[in-house]
Amino acid sequence: ETGVTQSPTHLIKTRGQQVTLRCSSQSGHNTVSWYQQALGQGPQFIFQYYREEENGRGNFPPRFSGLQFPNYSSELNVNALELDDSALYLCASSLASGNPPGYTFGSGTRLTVV
Amino acid sequence: AQSVTQPDIHITVSEGASLELRCNYSYGATPYLFWYVQSPGQGLQLLLKYFSGDTLVQGIKGFEAEFKRSQSSFNLRKPAVHWSDAAEYFCAVGKYSGGGADGLTFGKGTHLIIQP
Repeated sequence: ETGVTQSPTHLIKTRGQQVTLRCSSQSGHNTVSWYQQALGQGPQFIFQYYREEENGRGNFPPRFSGLQFPNYSSELNVNALELDDSALYLCASSLASGNPPGYTFGSGTRLTVV
Repeated sequence: AQSVTQPDIHITVSEGASLELRCNYSYGATPYLFWYVQSPGQGLQLLLKYFSGDTLVQGIKGFEAEFKRSQSSFNLRKPAVHWSDAAEYFCAVGKYSGGGADGLTFGKGTHLIIQP
């Protein structure tokens, strides 16, 4: 089975710009969640998508938005980038019916905002 | 709101010695509990998870964890560490929303250093 793949692996953007990060779910998984991991910190939950709809959100502003596609892949969009958005962005996929669900993480996208 | 505390930021252990990493959680109902490991610049690898049943959970790479409801703890243990175990370890708690999976709340992590 394929794991979770994220692209790109690294990205440099300028403050105020917009960025799109992509994630392909593990085969058979129907739920995707995104996390932000600042340097030296634990990951923080941004939001989760199930059946192409957002069904959970952490404490992040609306300029963080996402999509889930019929093939369960996903995008994270961040508008009006700020310096503090510099972080490792992790995507995780899971199967909603799992109890507990087994979250499989990708290797992440390292975003640097300058 | 749920929260996770990992009281030890850094732990140094000699190779071959036993290891225990501490995790305390705060949550109003029965949580999902997880331990993940992260090598530098990498994503998270699941070591083990717990929801119900036997409170001693076996994971990969020889790790185990014990759920203690009375102490709100889920400590990770390994009887003999290897140099390759040096990494960042994260404890996480999740909740079951009924309609499907939900997000995880992570601790700040414990950095494990292995001395030769």
